[in-house]
Amino acid sequence: GDSVTQMEGPVTLSEEAFLTINCTYTATGYPSLFWYVQYPGEGLQLLLKATKADDKGSNKGFEATYRKETTSFHLEKGSVQVSDSAVYFCALSEYTGRRALTFGSGTRLQVQP
Amino acid sequence: EAGVTQSPTHLIKTRGQQATLRCSPISGHTSVYWYQQALGLGLQFLLWYDEGEERNRGNFPPRFSGRQFPNYSSELNVNALELEDSALYLCASNDREYQETQYFGPGTRLLVL
Repeated sequence: GDSVTQMEGPVTLSEEAFLTINCTYTATGYPSLFWYVQYPGEGLQLLLKATKADDKGSNKGFEATYRKETTSFHLEKGSVQVSDSAVYFCALSEYTGRRALTFGSGTRLQVQP
Repeated sequence: EAGVTQSPTHLIKTRGQQATLRCSPISGHTSVYWYQQALGLGLQFLLWYDEGEERNRGNFPPRFSGRQFPNYSSELNVNALELEDSALYLCASNDREYQETQYFGPGTRLLVL
């Protein structure tokens, strides 16, 4: 079945540091890939997505590239802010069949001033 | 445009009772998805409703059930509550025909005592 593996957290960075959160996936078909963010006490917000190989999703300074050859979708940001502190979830969806999102375990990011 | 709404925000029940959670999708969305976010277990897919029908369910016992109404809002019912049902229950919606991205509500936090 489909699965998503994320790096373990928490990740603690100083403000303006470079961020990478690794995500790899296993899927039977050609999934779409997503990054969602969850701020304390809130639901999930879509951060970015990519629907096919070599697509790059970007939003609010975050980027991720769909790499089919390495089955990866790593999240990056050049300069993090305290306000980026949250839990980040990598997820995939197959457009046919099940339709459910399969999530990674989440990575907590803490940014210190 | 209003986002996905869920009610109540918090719910406290005792073992053996029933819980009913409600979700209103974004206007124009016909699909509703339910997920459970339990501590230490990550985000697990529960149910998918579309056009009033249950289309798929995750690996949960039958005491987790629900329905979708003609206005596309949805209810999740959990019968015979157990302590391990304590979790954040998230609802998401999309337009099945045109979208893969699921948009999430703020969640209902269920505590079973």
